[in-house]
Amino acid sequence: EAGVAQSPRYKIIEKRQSVAFWCNPISGHATLYWYQQILGQGPKLLIQFQNNGVVDDSQLPKDRFSAERLKGVDSTLKIQPAKLEDSAVYLCASAQGAGGSTDTQYFGPGTRLTVL
Amino acid sequence: GENVEQHPSTLSVQEGDSAVIKCTYSDSASNYFPWYKQELGKRPQLIIDIRSNVGEKKDQRIAVTLNKTAKHFSLHITETQPEDSAVYFCAAKSFQKLVFGTGTRLLVSP
Repeated sequence: EAGVAQSPRYKIIEKRQSVAFWCNPISGHATLYWYQQILGQGPKLLIQFQNNGVVDDSQLPKDRFSAERLKGVDSTLKIQPAKLEDSAVYLCASAQGAGGSTDTQYFGPGTRLTVL
Repeated sequence: GENVEQHPSTLSVQEGDSAVIKCTYSDSASNYFPWYKQELGKRPQLIIDIRSNVGEKKDQRIAVTLNKTAKHFSLHITETQPEDSAVYFCAAKSFQKLVFGTGTRLLVSP
């Protein structure tokens, strides 16, 4: 089966600019996650969707980050305005069920963001 | 919330040796513990996982053990090969939320 797709793969912007990332999960997967992975660290959950509803966005910096999954399939993550500390790899993952303990998360290739 | 600690941060072994990576977690409600392998510039890939009702699971050269009482779990790789070189992340899942450790960089020298 096709994996999780993300674009773009790389993005370089200047601070205070805006940027958007796109994710297409594995077909039929109900749950979608966005993670931020800073160099040398493990992925940190930003937001979790189940279909088109938000399950957990407690670690999303809502003053500058936003995400949506309007039709319960593709998702976009936006940063506006970007700060230097937003430089990281943004990983999208999906899981088949409702995100319960038996659901394996499959990761996309990530988008590497550099903020200058 | 859940906190996962992972050790060591770097591990160097000779080809054919065994490697062990250890993780501890804080939330006793955590019930699912996956391990991911991430090669440089690539996505994390699930290599093995264990659920809280199981103490040990093995898949060829890879095994994971879980001690719920002590709240720690470990990854064991036997007969290491150069292609095992990567960063390995443990994670613990509690209430639908997966929390990752900080990663272990494994280097297998030929």
